[in-house]
Amino acid sequence: EAGVTQFPSHSVIEKGQTVTLRCDPISGHDNLYWYRRVMGKEIKFLLHFVKESKQDESGMPNNRFLAERTGGTYSTLKVQPAELEDSGVYFCASSQVKGSRGTSGSGTYNEQFFGPGTRLTVL
Amino acid sequence: KQEVTQIPAALSVPEGENLVLNCSFTDSAIYNLQWFRQDPGKGLTSLLLIQSSQREQTSGRLNASLDKSSGRSTLYIAASQPGDSATYLCAVPPPGGTSYGKLTFGQGTILTVHP
Repeated sequence: EAGVTQFPSHSVIEKGQTVTLRCDPISGHDNLYWYRRVMGKEIKFLLHFVKESKQDESGMPNNRFLAERTGGTYSTLKVQPAELEDSGVYFCASSQVKGSRGTSGSGTYNEQFFGPGTRLTVL
Repeated sequence: KQEVTQIPAALSVPEGENLVLNCSFTDSAIYNLQWFRQDPGKGLTSLLLIQSSQREQTSGRLNASLDKSSGRSTLYIAASQPGDSATYLCAVPPPGGTSYGKLTFGQGTILTVHP
């Protein structure tokens, strides 16, 4: 079974440019989360989708960040325009539907599975 | 607001030692706690998820314990190996008895196991 995948693995852009990150969750996982880790800090939550709907976007830093999940499958996170402080590693995670306690091997009790991350550097 | 703290921030041990990583959280009304491992430049790998109704969870040489009343979890690694070198992170879902939603992470413990 394929895990969570993210693209690109690295992105280097200049301040003011636009960057779009992509996340493909584990097949069948309705929950999709975005997190990021900036230098020297802990991993922090950005946004949670359930299927195509935003369940919680309380962690989004400002309106330069836009997340979408068309059709409830993959998700994109766009930063426009990028600022220096946006540099960091952006992680995506997925999990099964709330209340699901499946034993399919894709996780139980809403266990979150993470992708490899996208390292974003804004110069 | 939930806060998660991990101690120590870094740990360097010789191969073969048994070691304990600590995680504490301020709001004990959690449904579960998840331990992850992160290798340099890589994503997070889920190691163990321990439910609030459990006291321990084991996977190979790893054993996680959870004491909700004291707001603590420990990750015990037996017979450490150089391949165990990584950053270990603990994380909890929102307090209030749900497993659902965003995780709050600690800053992690950087473990180095030298031959």
